Amino acid sequence: DAGVIQSPRHEVTEMGQEVTLRCKPISGHDYLFWYRQTMMRGLELLIYFNNNVPIDDSGMPEDRFSAKMPNASFSNLKIQPSEPRDSAVYFCASSLDRAGGYTFGSGTRLTVV
Amino acid sequence: SQQGEEDPQALSIQEGENATMNCSYKTSINNLQWYRQNSGRGLVHLILIRSNEREKHSGRLRVTLDTSKKSSSLLITASRAADTASYFCAPPQGGSEKLVFGKGTKLTVNP
Repeated sequence: DAGVIQSPRHEVTEMGQEVTLRCKPISGHDYLFWYRQTMMRGLELLIYFNNNVPIDDSGMPEDRFSAKMPNASFSNLKIQPSEPRDSAVYFCASSLDRAGGYTFGSGTRLTVV
Repeated sequence: SQQGEEDPQALSIQEGENATMNCSYKTSINNLQWYRQNSGRGLVHLILIRSNEREKHSGRLRVTLDTSKKSSSLLITASRAADTASYFCAPPQGGSEKLVFGKGTKLTVNP
C-alpha cells in the first residue's frame, strides 16, 4: 500500500484565493482525520470522518474552512477565502478502526501571502 | 479536553545513551499511543499500549503505562542519531477514536 497520499506537497497562494487540499486514505481504513500543525499551536484536529460521514468538526476554525469525503477513497479540505494566518502544514491521517493507530500522510505545507 | 502532556519539552543526549520521555493525561483511557515526527514529515505510529497492559516492547522501544497515576513513559535504548525527532503521546479523547496531540518532546541525539 502506498500509504496516505496528500496533494499538493506545497501550496503558495495569495490572500483571498480558494485553496483545496486533497487526501487519499489507505484502502479499507474507516476513519479519516484532518490536522493542522503550526509552531505556535502545535497539532490541531480540525475534523474527522467515519465511513465518509463527518463525526466531529468542532476543530474547524471558522466558516472559511470546509471538508468533504465524497467516497471512501478521497477527502478534500477547502479554505475560502484564505488568509495569511492559515499558513501551516496540513496533515491527513487514516485509521483502520476506532482503536487503531493512525497512518499520517506527508502533509501539505500551505503558505498564504 | 484530554490530551497528552509530554515531559521534558526538549531532551539532548549522546548517541548510545538511553532517552526517557514521560506523558501525563487526565481521564481514563482504553489505550495510549506514541508517535514520532521527524522534521518536516508526518507522524509515524510507534506503539499502542492498552489499559490492561503495564509494559510493552518494540525493538529498542519500551513503553510503560500506570493508569493509577495517569502516566506513561517511552524509553529508547541505545539511541542513534536517526532517533532525533519529536515524540508525542496520544491518549484517546473521551474514550473515542479522536486523538488530541500535545506539544511533544523534542529529542536530539548527538553523534
